[in-house]
Amino acid sequence: AQSVAQPEDQVNVAEGNPLTVKCTYSVSGNPYLFWYVQYPNRGLQFLLKYITGDNLVKGSYGFEAEFNKSQTSFHLKKPSALVSDSALYFCAVRDSGNTPLVFGKGTRLSVIA
Amino acid sequence: DVKVTQSSRYLVKRTGEKVFLECVQDMDHENMFWYRQDPGLGLRLIYFSYDVKMKEKGDIPEGYSVSREKKERFSLILESASTNQTSMYLCASIPSGGGIETQYFGPGTRLLVL
Repeated sequence: AQSVAQPEDQVNVAEGNPLTVKCTYSVSGNPYLFWYVQYPNRGLQFLLKYITGDNLVKGSYGFEAEFNKSQTSFHLKKPSALVSDSALYFCAVRDSGNTPLVFGKGTRLSVIA
Repeated sequence: DVKVTQSSRYLVKRTGEKVFLECVQDMDHENMFWYRQDPGLGLRLIYFSYDVKMKEKGDIPEGYSVSREKKERFSLILESASTNQTSMYLCASIPSGGGIETQYFGPGTRLLVL
Protein backbone atom coordinates (compact mmCIF):
# COMPACT_ATOMS: atom_id res chain seq x y z
CA ALA A 1 0.00 0.00 0.00
CA GLN A 2 1.14 3.51 -0.74
CA SER A 3 1.50 6.12 1.95
CA VAL A 4 2.87 9.59 2.51
CA ALA A 5 4.03 11.24 5.71
CA GLN A 6 4.39 14.94 6.28
CA PRO A 7 5.94 15.05 9.73
CA GLU A 8 5.31 18.75 10.40
CA ASP A 9 1.83 20.17 10.77
CA GLN A 10 3.19 23.70 10.71
CA VAL A 11 6.36 25.34 9.43
CA ASN A 12 7.21 28.93 10.25
CA VAL A 13 9.89 30.84 8.37
CA ALA A 14 10.95 34.45 8.08
CA GLU A 15 10.56 36.17 4.75
CA GLY A 16 13.74 35.92 2.71
CA ASN A 17 14.95 32.79 4.49
CA PRO A 18 15.10 29.39 2.80
CA LEU A 19 12.20 27.05 3.47
CA THR A 20 11.84 23.28 3.52
CA VAL A 21 8.63 21.28 3.79
CA LYS A 22 9.31 17.62 4.47
CA CYS A 23 7.75 14.56 2.87
CA THR A 24 8.54 10.86 3.07
CA TYR A 25 6.78 8.14 1.15
CA SER A 26 6.26 4.41 0.92
CA VAL A 27 5.40 2.57 -2.30
CA SER A 28 5.95 -0.94 -3.59
CA GLY A 29 7.33 0.06 -6.97
CA ASN A 30 8.84 3.17 -8.49
CA PRO A 31 7.28 6.30 -7.03
CA TYR A 32 5.65 9.14 -8.89
CA LEU A 33 5.73 12.08 -6.48
CA PHE A 34 3.80 15.34 -6.50
CA TRP A 35 3.53 18.56 -4.55
CA TYR A 36 0.39 20.67 -4.44
CA VAL A 37 -0.39 23.99 -2.75
CA GLN A 38 -3.75 25.15 -1.43
CA TYR A 39 -4.60 28.76 -0.72
CA PRO A 40 -7.55 29.58 1.58
CA ASN A 41 -10.90 28.38 0.24
CA ARG A 42 -9.36 27.14 -2.98
CA GLY A 43 -8.72 23.81 -4.63
CA LEU A 44 -5.29 22.25 -4.93
CA GLN A 45 -2.83 23.72 -7.39
CA PHE A 46 -0.09 21.57 -8.89
CA LEU A 47 3.45 22.72 -8.07
CA LEU A 48 5.79 20.05 -9.38
CA LYS A 49 6.31 16.34 -9.85
CA TYR A 50 9.06 13.75 -9.97
CA ILE A 51 8.67 10.95 -12.48
CA THR A 52 12.21 9.92 -13.38
CA GLY A 53 15.61 11.40 -14.16
CA ASP A 54 17.20 14.30 -12.34
CA ASN A 55 16.63 14.11 -8.60
CA LEU A 56 16.14 17.88 -8.36
CA VAL A 57 12.82 18.95 -9.82
CA LYS A 58 11.92 22.57 -10.45
CA GLY A 59 8.35 23.79 -10.38
CA SER A 60 6.08 26.79 -10.19
CA TYR A 61 6.66 29.96 -8.13
CA GLY A 62 10.37 29.20 -7.60
CA PHE A 63 9.79 25.96 -5.72
CA GLU A 64 11.90 22.87 -6.17
CA ALA A 65 11.98 19.42 -4.64
CA GLU A 66 14.70 16.85 -4.16
CA PHE A 67 14.00 13.17 -4.64
CA ASN A 68 16.10 10.94 -2.39
CA LYS A 69 15.50 7.27 -3.05
CA SER A 70 17.61 5.94 -0.19
CA GLN A 71 15.78 8.09 2.33
CA THR A 72 12.42 7.75 0.54
CA SER A 73 11.99 11.49 0.77
CA PHE A 74 10.77 14.25 -1.50
CA HIS A 75 11.24 17.52 0.39
CA LEU A 76 9.93 20.78 -1.03
CA LYS A 77 12.32 23.73 -0.97
CA LYS A 78 12.59 27.36 -1.88
CA PRO A 79 15.74 29.47 -1.52
CA SER A 80 13.97 32.64 -0.38
CA ALA A 81 10.47 32.56 1.11
CA LEU A 82 7.80 35.14 0.37
CA VAL A 83 4.84 36.10 2.55
CA SER A 84 2.64 35.06 -0.38
CA ASP A 85 3.98 31.49 -0.06
CA SER A 86 1.94 31.11 3.11
CA ALA A 87 -0.48 28.27 2.37
CA LEU A 88 -1.20 24.59 2.94
CA TYR A 89 1.14 22.20 1.13
CA PHE A 90 0.40 18.60 0.24
CA CYS A 91 2.74 15.86 -0.86
CA ALA A 92 1.26 12.95 -2.85
CA VAL A 93 2.40 9.67 -4.37
CA ARG A 94 1.27 6.93 -6.71
CA ASP A 95 3.23 3.92 -7.89
CA SER A 96 1.77 3.25 -11.32
CA GLY A 97 -1.08 3.49 -13.75
CA ASN A 98 -4.07 5.69 -13.23
CA THR A 99 -4.43 4.93 -9.56
CA PRO A 100 -5.54 7.84 -7.43
CA LEU A 101 -2.92 9.91 -5.71
CA VAL A 102 -2.41 9.22 -2.04
CA PHE A 103 -1.94 12.42 -0.07
CA GLY A 104 -0.18 13.38 3.10
CA LYS A 105 -2.05 15.28 5.80
CA GLY A 106 -0.62 18.59 4.71
CA THR A 107 1.80 21.11 6.17
CA ARG A 108 0.79 24.68 6.83
CA LEU A 109 3.54 27.08 5.87
CA SER A 110 3.57 30.50 7.48
CA VAL A 111 6.03 33.06 6.16
CA ILE A 112 6.45 35.99 8.51
CA ALA A 113 7.45 39.43 7.28
CA ASP B 1 -5.36 24.59 -19.65
CA VAL B 2 -7.24 21.82 -17.92
CA LYS B 3 -10.36 23.06 -16.27
CA VAL B 4 -12.25 21.23 -13.57
CA THR B 5 -15.36 22.98 -12.31
CA GLN B 6 -17.62 22.20 -9.39
CA SER B 7 -21.22 23.32 -9.34
CA SER B 8 -21.16 25.10 -6.00
CA ARG B 9 -18.48 26.74 -3.88
CA TYR B 10 -20.60 26.69 -0.72
CA LEU B 11 -23.63 24.63 0.25
CA VAL B 12 -25.74 24.51 3.38
CA LYS B 13 -28.03 21.51 3.78
CA ARG B 14 -30.20 19.97 6.48
CA THR B 15 -29.66 16.57 8.02
CA GLY B 16 -31.45 13.92 6.00
CA GLU B 17 -31.47 15.86 2.74
CA LYS B 18 -30.23 14.32 -0.48
CA VAL B 19 -27.26 16.29 -1.76
CA PHE B 20 -25.75 16.34 -5.23
CA LEU B 21 -22.25 17.65 -5.87
CA GLU B 22 -21.42 18.06 -9.53
CA CYS B 23 -18.02 18.06 -11.18
CA VAL B 24 -17.27 18.75 -14.84
CA GLN B 25 -13.94 18.60 -16.65
CA ASP B 26 -13.32 19.93 -20.14
CA MET B 27 -10.24 17.95 -21.20
CA ASP B 28 -11.75 14.62 -22.14
CA HIS B 29 -10.11 12.91 -19.17
CA GLU B 30 -11.04 9.30 -18.57
CA ASN B 31 -10.38 9.25 -14.84
CA MET B 32 -12.19 11.29 -12.23
CA PHE B 33 -12.01 11.34 -8.44
CA TRP B 34 -13.84 12.63 -5.41
CA TYR B 35 -11.96 13.46 -2.20
CA ARG B 36 -12.99 15.04 1.03
CA GLN B 37 -10.64 17.27 2.97
CA ASP B 38 -10.76 17.70 6.72
CA PRO B 39 -8.30 19.54 9.00
CA GLY B 40 -5.58 17.24 10.26
CA LEU B 41 -6.71 14.39 8.02
CA GLY B 42 -5.60 15.65 4.62
CA LEU B 43 -7.40 14.40 1.53
CA ARG B 44 -9.25 11.13 1.68
CA LEU B 45 -10.54 9.36 -1.41
CA ILE B 46 -14.28 8.70 -1.51
CA TYR B 47 -14.89 7.28 -4.99
CA PHE B 48 -13.26 7.29 -8.39
CA SER B 49 -14.17 6.37 -11.94
CA TYR B 50 -12.06 5.13 -14.85
CA ASP B 51 -14.74 5.48 -17.47
CA VAL B 52 -18.39 6.22 -18.10
CA LYS B 53 -20.68 4.13 -15.90
CA MET B 54 -17.70 2.73 -14.02
CA LYS B 55 -17.00 3.43 -10.37
CA GLU B 56 -14.64 2.21 -7.70
CA LYS B 57 -14.78 2.70 -3.96
CA GLY B 58 -12.07 4.69 -2.36
CA ASP B 59 -11.03 4.70 1.28
CA ILE B 60 -14.20 6.21 2.77
CA PRO B 61 -17.23 5.43 0.54
CA GLU B 62 -19.76 4.93 3.34
CA GLY B 63 -22.67 7.34 3.09
CA TYR B 64 -21.84 8.33 -0.48
CA SER B 65 -22.62 7.19 -3.98
CA VAL B 66 -21.53 8.45 -7.40
CA SER B 67 -22.80 8.71 -10.93
CA ARG B 68 -20.86 8.95 -14.19
CA GLU B 69 -23.30 9.04 -17.08
CA LYS B 70 -21.11 11.20 -19.31
CA LYS B 71 -17.36 11.26 -19.62
CA GLU B 72 -17.01 14.88 -18.57
CA ARG B 73 -19.29 14.75 -15.53
CA PHE B 74 -18.84 12.95 -12.20
CA SER B 75 -21.44 13.45 -9.50
CA LEU B 76 -21.13 12.74 -5.81
CA ILE B 77 -24.37 11.96 -3.99
CA LEU B 78 -25.06 12.09 -0.29
CA GLU B 79 -28.20 9.99 -0.02
CA SER B 80 -29.11 11.30 3.44
CA ALA B 81 -26.79 14.02 4.62
CA SER B 82 -25.44 13.85 8.15
CA THR B 83 -23.51 16.38 10.20
CA ASN B 84 -20.33 14.31 10.00
CA GLN B 85 -20.35 14.90 6.24
CA THR B 86 -19.68 18.58 6.77
CA SER B 87 -16.43 18.99 4.89
CA MET B 88 -14.62 20.37 1.87
CA TYR B 89 -15.20 18.21 -1.21
CA LEU B 90 -12.68 18.20 -4.02
CA CYS B 91 -13.06 16.74 -7.47
CA ALA B 92 -10.09 15.84 -9.67
CA SER B 93 -9.34 14.30 -13.07
CA ILE B 94 -6.46 12.84 -15.08
CA PRO B 95 -6.13 11.37 -18.56
CA SER B 96 -5.35 7.67 -18.93
CA GLY B 97 -1.63 8.20 -19.40
CA GLY B 98 -0.23 6.21 -16.57
CA GLY B 99 1.35 7.29 -13.36
CA ILE B 100 3.12 10.28 -14.82
CA GLU B 101 -0.05 12.28 -15.35
CA THR B 102 -0.82 15.26 -13.15
CA GLN B 103 -4.10 15.15 -11.27
CA TYR B 104 -6.02 18.41 -11.70
CA PHE B 105 -8.42 19.66 -9.07
CA GLY B 106 -11.56 21.74 -9.05
CA PRO B 107 -11.98 24.68 -6.67
CA GLY B 108 -13.83 22.63 -4.08
CA THR B 109 -17.29 22.68 -2.51
CA ARG B 110 -17.53 23.52 1.14
CA LEU B 111 -20.57 21.69 2.51
CA LEU B 112 -22.17 22.45 5.83
CA VAL B 113 -24.79 20.02 7.09
CA LEU B 114 -26.96 21.38 9.89
